[in-house]
Amino acid sequence: GAGVSQSPSNKVTEKGKDVELRCDPISGHTALYWYRQRLGQGLEFLIYFQGNSAPDKSGLPSDRFSAERTGESVSTLTIQRTQQEDSAVYLCASSFKGASKQETQYFGPGTRLLVL
Amino acid sequence: GENVEQHPSTLSVQEGDSAVIKCTYSDSASNYFPWYKQELGKRPQLIIDIRSNVGEKKDQRIAVTLNKTAKHFSLHITETQPEDSAVYFCAASIWGRSGNTGKLIFGQGTTLQVKP
Repeated sequence: GAGVSQSPSNKVTEKGKDVELRCDPISGHTALYWYRQRLGQGLEFLIYFQGNSAPDKSGLPSDRFSAERTGESVSTLTIQRTQQEDSAVYLCASSFKGASKQETQYFGPGTRLLVL
Repeated sequence: GENVEQHPSTLSVQEGDSAVIKCTYSDSASNYFPWYKQELGKRPQLIIDIRSNVGEKKDQRIAVTLNKTAKHFSLHITETQPEDSAVYFCAASIWGRSGNTGKLIFGQGTTLQVKP
């Protein structure tokens, strides 16, 4: 079946602009995670959704970052007033809680964000 | 919070040799440890995982060992092939307990090069 998809695949923006990144999880997956991967680094947790609520936002680096999820499906990560240090690949992952191997997170291809 | 250290950062082996990547974690409550392989420009793909009630797990040429007492776990790849060349990430999470989200805390990654 279809995997996790993300759009856009690449985004170039100017410092100070807002950007929206989209994630479409695997159908039926109730858990959704956003991670950030800076060049040559590991993945950093940003936010977790269970259904449409976000019980863990502890990884969001500043109040310029926000995310929402609707219909227990699509999620949008918004970065306001982008800064050059926001340049990174933003990855989304989903998992199916309640199933066997429920811990397994399946990743999307990521959105590569470059802030000039 | 949880911290995961991964070594080495780069590893070069000859085709057919074995490769070992090691990770340590700080939170003794962690109970799920996946390994992801990420090829250049691609999404992370789960290659093997282990839970804290198991000491070792094998899948063909790949094995993972876990030492809960020492809080470290390792990935072993035998009979390496050029297509094993990629960046490998270890991760740790706390799964299945009230209030825990299953978010993954990643190591910094190991770039494995297998020379033909």
